[in-house]
Amino acid sequence: EAHLEESGGGLVQPGGSLRLSCSASDFAFNTYWMHWVRQAPGKGLVWVSHIKYDGTNANYADSVKGRFTISRDNADNTLYLQINSLTPEDTGVYYCARGWEVLDLWGQGTTVTVSS
Amino acid sequence: DIQMTQSPSSLSASEGDSVTITCRASQNIRSNLNWYQQRPGKAPKLLISGAFSVESGVPSRFTGIGAGTHFTLTITALQPEDFASYYCQQSFSSPFSFGGGTTLEIK
Repeated sequence: EAHLEESGGGLVQPGGSLRLSCSASDFAFNTYWMHWVRQAPGKGLVWVSHIKYDGTNANYADSVKGRFTISRDNADNTLYLQINSLTPEDTGVYYCARGWEVLDLWGQGTTVTVSS
Repeated sequence: DIQMTQSPSSLSASEGDSVTITCRASQNIRSNLNWYQQRPGKAPKLLISGAFSVESGVPSRFTGIGAGTHFTLTITALQPEDFASYYCQQSFSSPFSFGGGTTLEIK
């Protein structure tokens, strides 16, 4: 059964960096666009970024442009999100999801907490 | 960027009731509208894509309609597992924005 599993979250100080990972299994990862979506505590879903199946095209929400970088390793079936210059407003659960524009498979999320 | 507005933000209902959630887009998105369900502490789950196509395994009590800028999700004969949060998402153009969400609570 197709599965996504995020990792790499944790507690980081303001201004710090993290690299989130999303490991994919049991589907043809290299044929799917992939996304990151985040959710602040008690708030709604916010689309963050997506990347084309071959890694040649990526887009970002304005709120993260210039600070976040999405990438992928199709040989390792892994999606990444490099997040820099973190602020408390970046605190939340980060989900990876599969799909071109319809997100039909989601991971369980990894939690990022930005606090001093 | 396309803005998605959901209403109401919260809703109370009883088991067996029917409810309708509305989602409006700031511009014409044709039928590129998807609905997700999120139970507390869980990942979102795709319910409906393309405004009205119900995903495999989703009960028939979930119905989506609409096109252009106005969309609705109706849930009939509410079951205990339906009390959750619901989000619309436009897939017409990047950034693929979500609505603010609707929390469906037990009355």
